[in-house]
Amino acid sequence: EPEVTQTPSHQVTQMGQEVILRCVPISNHLYFYWYRQILGQKVEFLVSFYNNEISEKSEIFDDQFSVERPDGSNFTLKIRSTKLEDSAMYFCASSRLGQTIYGYTFGSGTRLTVV
Amino acid sequence: DQQVKQNSPSLSVQEGRISILNCDYTNSMFDYFLWYKKYPAEGPTFLISISSIKDKNEDGRFTVFLNKSAKHLSLHIVPSQPGDSAVYFCAASGETSGSRLTFGEGTQLTVNP
Repeated sequence: EPEVTQTPSHQVTQMGQEVILRCVPISNHLYFYWYRQILGQKVEFLVSFYNNEISEKSEIFDDQFSVERPDGSNFTLKIRSTKLEDSAMYFCASSRLGQTIYGYTFGSGTRLTVV
Repeated sequence: DQQVKQNSPSLSVQEGRISILNCDYTNSMFDYFLWYKKYPAEGPTFLISISSIKDKNEDGRFTVFLNKSAKHLSLHIVPSQPGDSAVYFCAASGETSGSRLTFGEGTQLTVNP
């Protein structure tokens, strides 16, 4: 079964530092997503990415956040200057057709702890 | 964001019996509804979906029912197995929300042997 791989599984960073979360989507998938889940809260949409550009982003995805597909296999989420409230589980997901009815494949997540 | 709501944080059932997980939504523009299952230390796993033009979709032990007039959907698992113990998320998307999924809070299902 193909998987979405996320690294690292856990990252601790100091407030104000930049952090990059990495994801390797399934190889024949064309649509990529980042979601996050703050402890005790809902899973929230951050951004979707297709054809090397952002196709949609949420209100959470402000100027501190950016995404990139640097080399055709990795998909990264960068947080420029982390805040305590960025502490959350970050999930990468991918899909082949981009239609939600077919579901996405999620990775296991990166737990980001900002101290 | 209260557009998708799962009012039961937990549900406990006996192995072999039916599990019924419920979800309510407020946004009448949602076109698709999905159920995901999540084990600890893993990402959500897609289970089953339904389009707003249908009222039922079945896949093996899993059936999703949609009641558009009540803005309510449910997931039935029959028969329940201990391996089904997980957090179940309801999610929705629509034309106006693009490809984003709006999730409910999740319900922890425990299936007792």
